Amino acid sequence: QQQVKQSPQSLIVQKGGISIINCAYENTAFDYFPWYQQFPGKGPALLIAIRPDVSEKKEGRFTISFNKSAKQFSLHIMDSQPGDSATYFCAASYAGKSTFGDGTTLTVKP
Amino acid sequence: EAGVVQSPRYKIIEKKQPVAFWCNPISGHNTLYWYLQNLGQGPELLIRYENEEAVDDSQLPKDRFSAERLKGVDSTLKIQPAELGDSAVYLCASSSEGGKHNEQFFGPGTRLTVL
Repeated sequence: QQQVKQSPQSLIVQKGGISIINCAYENTAFDYFPWYQQFPGKGPALLIAIRPDVSEKKEGRFTISFNKSAKQFSLHIMDSQPGDSATYFCAASYAGKSTFGDGTTLTVKP
Repeated sequence: EAGVVQSPRYKIIEKKQPVAFWCNPISGHNTLYWYLQNLGQGPELLIRYENEEAVDDSQLPKDRFSAERLKGVDSTLKIQPAELGDSAVYLCASSSEGGKHNEQFFGPGTRLTVL
């Protein structure tokens, strides 16, 4: 059962553009929503995370928007840079157990 | 501070052979996770330890997979016998308190190829 659906599967953005990745979840028990960044040959690394009691969280160029009623959340990368090219995973967590989306491969063209 | 260490980084074996992966978490992290990551997919939890106790092994295929964390520090994941479908990246992660929303730190993974 896919509890976290992520889209798009791949994304190509020009340098300086905005990258947007979306996720939807089913289980309303989830109460923590992290985003991870993964480079080839490396493990995922936490980028930014949000709890459902807030609708938005911003850290530098990265913003999470959260819509509890729609059970959706998204990652926005402003002023995208070639160094942001990586695979991004959303996740939904409850009681320390995380369920991951299938990932979005982002390519930022210079 | 050293991150999560995994070894080996790569392993190629014939089907039906046994294989073992080792993980040393970040010092002081009492929660340890083993994940399986298939190509083009997100990590899937296999087992979670709180200290030496396996608190969630519901997704571990116990007919061929086993894990241990005897002293509550490093951990070993074993597959015996390996099947073609086991080819994947096996990730280890650790966190300071698994029951709370603390950051999980991932190792680089072990890429297993079963021929």
